[in-house]
Amino acid sequence: EAGVAQSPRYKIIEKRQSVAFWCNPISGHATLYWYQQILGQGPKLLIQFQNNGVVDDSQLPKDRFSAERLKGVDSTLKIQPAKLEDSAVYLCASRRTGGSTDTQYFGPGTRLTVL
Amino acid sequence: DQQVKQNSPSLSVQEGRISILNCDYTNSMFDYFLWYKKYPAEGPTFLISISSIKDKNEDGRFTVFLNKSAKHLSLHIVPSQPGDSAVYFCAASDFNKFYFGSGTKLNVKP
Repeated sequence: EAGVAQSPRYKIIEKRQSVAFWCNPISGHATLYWYQQILGQGPKLLIQFQNNGVVDDSQLPKDRFSAERLKGVDSTLKIQPAKLEDSAVYLCASRRTGGSTDTQYFGPGTRLTVL
Repeated sequence: DQQVKQNSPSLSVQEGRISILNCDYTNSMFDYFLWYKKYPAEGPTFLISISSIKDKNEDGRFTVFLNKSAKHLSLHIVPSQPGDSAVYFCAASDFNKFYFGSGTKLNVKP
């Protein structure tokens, strides 16, 4: 079974520019998560989708971050405009259902550097 | 507010010995706990999990122990191998949402 795919793997941009990340979850996984992982910290949830609906976006900085999951499969996360503190690894994860003992599986992440 | 804490940023162990990684949590509503392993430039990989109705789960060289009264879980790796060198994250879930610790970097010396 193919894992969670993410692209690009690396991105370097200047502050105030825009950037977008793409995620393709494991086939059949209804739940999709975007996390931000700053160096030395654990992943922090940005947004969670169940199919194509948003379940939790309480920690998404909505003035600059947006995400969508059209047709309940692929998802994109956008930052516009980027700030220096957005430098981090952005991880996408998926999970079969929302059941409490379902494991979530991570993609390789996109490392963003904002100069 | 950090609901899951890993207080040891790093741990060094000799090959063949036991590695014990610790994790504390504050939310008594957490009902599922997981350990992930992360190599550089890769995403976290699921390692082992435990439901709150159990106190121990074993998978090969890896055992997770859960002490609900102390709100503490630990991961035991026996015997440790150089390939186990990685960052280990513990995570806790309250149904739909996952909370992660800050990670412990394990170095297994040959």
